[in-house]
Order: sequence, then structure tokens, then C-alpha cells
Amino acid sequence: DIVLTQSPDSLAVSLGERATINCKSSQSVLYSSNNKNYLAWYQHKPGQPPKLLIYWASIRESGVPDRFSGSGSGTDFALTISSLQAEDVAVYYCQQYYNTPYTFGQGTKLEIK
Amino acid sequence: QITLKESGPTLVKPTQTLTLTCTFSGFSLSTSDVGVGWIRQSPGKALEWLALIHWDDEKRYSPSLKSRLTITKDTSKNQVVLTMTNMDPVDTATYYCAHRAYGPGAHYFDYWGQGTLVTVSS
Repeated sequence: DIVLTQSPDSLAVSLGERATINCKSSQSVLYSSNNKNYLAWYQHKPGQPPKLLIYWASIRESGVPDRFSGSGSGTDFALTISSLQAEDVAVYYCQQYYNTPYTFGQGTKLEIK
Repeated sequence: QITLKESGPTLVKPTQTLTLTCTFSGFSLSTSDVGVGWIRQSPGKALEWLALIHWDDEKRYSPSLKSRLTITKDTSKNQVVLTMTNMDPVDTATYYCAHRAYGPGAHYFDYWGQGTLVTVSS
């Protein structure tokens, strides 16, 4: 199984500041034939289902604010929120869909400092 | 507009079989490249992918749970059913069904149901 390790486990950032969450994969999720990274990011708020933010490592889902961005390739990825808003408080997960079983990171809890 | 909703028992006893139904709208599981998956989250834990079924009846399971899981579809009812046998208290979780995104290899989930909490207790 591909293991995704997120860092940090929790993060407190001031409003308007940048937040960066990292996701490291135990093996590459870059498919060489199409040069795509099979990695997605989700935002999960209490009492709500997870919300897709980013797919193919860097493509923002429709309707997601442009303060959210994804980067990285191979085994190292990051989700960046350029200017933290109060509504961004949530747990964030990365997910690989390179192969089964599709796996998620352990989650990063983002709070306001 | 794509929507999904999970239904099933909120409480099951240990050793019993859990049957969850995902009723969806806004897409058809008879259309090429469509898939529906199940993901769960135990209290305080991370998300865990369980199973995925495709329009052509291709099925994928988490290897660690494969012996206990069965996923089926009823295209006429726009439903996907997940059964999990021999339930244990560690299976207590919120179970979500989700729409697999379109496109080759796009096995991420762009629409999710609200989830249903299943407690396993005697």
C-alpha cells in the first residue's frame, strides 16, 4: 500500500497569513506515460462530508477559491492557502489514486492562531 | 446536479452484517466512465477507502477488508449497495458514498454524500 504522511499534524496560522500542509508519499504517484501526479486534496469540516479542493496535484476544483493551491510531484506535495480565512478552519487530507488501495494521509488540523 | 445519500442502520451488533445503500441522482451508473465509491471515517481517525464500483460492473476493494465487503449496483434504482460482514466495534464509523470523478484514472471523489454514522455495539 502507498502510505501518505502529512506534516504537520496540526497547524495554527493567523488570519491573512499563509498556511502550508505537506504530504509525502511512500512511493511516486507520478505516472510517467501521461506525466500526471495521482494526488488529490480534500477539506473536511465537522458535520460535513469531505470537499474536493485539488486534483492531479495542482488543478483546483471548480468553485474552490484561488487562495488554495497544490504543488509538488513524485513523492512530495503541498497544499498552500495563501491568505487564511476563518472559514478555512478544517482538517485537510491528501489522497493518492495511483493504485489501489486508494489511501489518504492521516490529516492535518488547521486552526486560527 | 449530482447528489448522493447514504441510508442504513445506525446500530448493528457484533458479528452482524451491515448493509448500506447509496441513492444518487444527477448521473447514471449505466453511463461510461461513471463510478461510485465508499469511504469511512472512524471516530478520531483518518479517511479510509473501502470499495469502488464502475459503470461496467468492475469492482475494486480495499485488500484489508476485501473478504468482508461486497459492492453492487442497481442501475434502474440509481443505487449502490455495500455489505460488510462480521461487524466489529472497530467498524464504528461514519460511512460515506461518493461519486468518482470523470476521466481516465481519475479515481478521486468530487461529490460526497452527507455520511451515515454506524455504531457497532451489543
